[in-house]
Amino acid sequence: QVQLQESGPGLVKPSQTLSLTCTVSGASISGGGYYWSWVRQHPGKGLEWIGYIYYSGITYYNPSLRGRVSISVDTSKNQFSLNVSFVTAADTALYYCARTSLRGAAVSDYWGHGTRVTVSS
Amino acid sequence: QSVLTQPPSVSGAPGQRVTISCTGSSSNIGAGSDVHWYQQLPGTAPKLLIHGNSNRPSGVPDRFSGSKSATSASLAIAGLQAEDEADYYCQSYDSSLGGVVFGGGTKLTVL
Repeated sequence: QVQLQESGPGLVKPSQTLSLTCTVSGASISGGGYYWSWVRQHPGKGLEWIGYIYYSGITYYNPSLRGRVSISVDTSKNQFSLNVSFVTAADTALYYCARTSLRGAAVSDYWGHGTRVTVSS
Repeated sequence: QSVLTQPPSVSGAPGQRVTISCTGSSSNIGAGSDVHWYQQLPGTAPKLLIHGNSNRPSGVPDRFSGSKSATSASLAIAGLQAEDEADYYCQSYDSSLGGVVFGGGTKLTVL
């Protein structure tokens, strides 16, 4: 059973960097065949794709966030991470990590429970 | 403004059939990209409901079905049950944006 668990601070100050980690169990990130994604959901709003990473380190980002977002992977810990720099209140959201297939228009079959991040001073 | 367009809400009585549309463009659904559907129950993470336009993962009741045509897709839910009350999202891949795109979501209310 594949499981993903997000972790990180729930409160970040404006202009600082938001850092989250997703720990994967039941599957090996280095096994290939999947991207590892971050998706966020603003309060009361829909889903927004942030980006994903392959185990080799290749990344793809949402153009609207490119420049402030970076995703990295640590295959030794079976984890991948998200950094969002220069955060504002607009980055307050529920952040999900997910496993995303390489094929078939990037379907995400397993999701974490999500972690809530608030940007406030 | 989402790249994929869904109605904000739909409703139906128990036992009825409802459909949720997802309209895209020539750079996503119209370009041949598959459409996937997710169900998000209140307070929970999205759950994959339909993948590859019309395929149900193991455990998803056959009351849920998906279809795709030209630049749009649809999710149909037959025999509505109270437990189906949730938000539903379509998702595809957009070649112009170079990434994943979601619909704005549709809130299903079971009357």
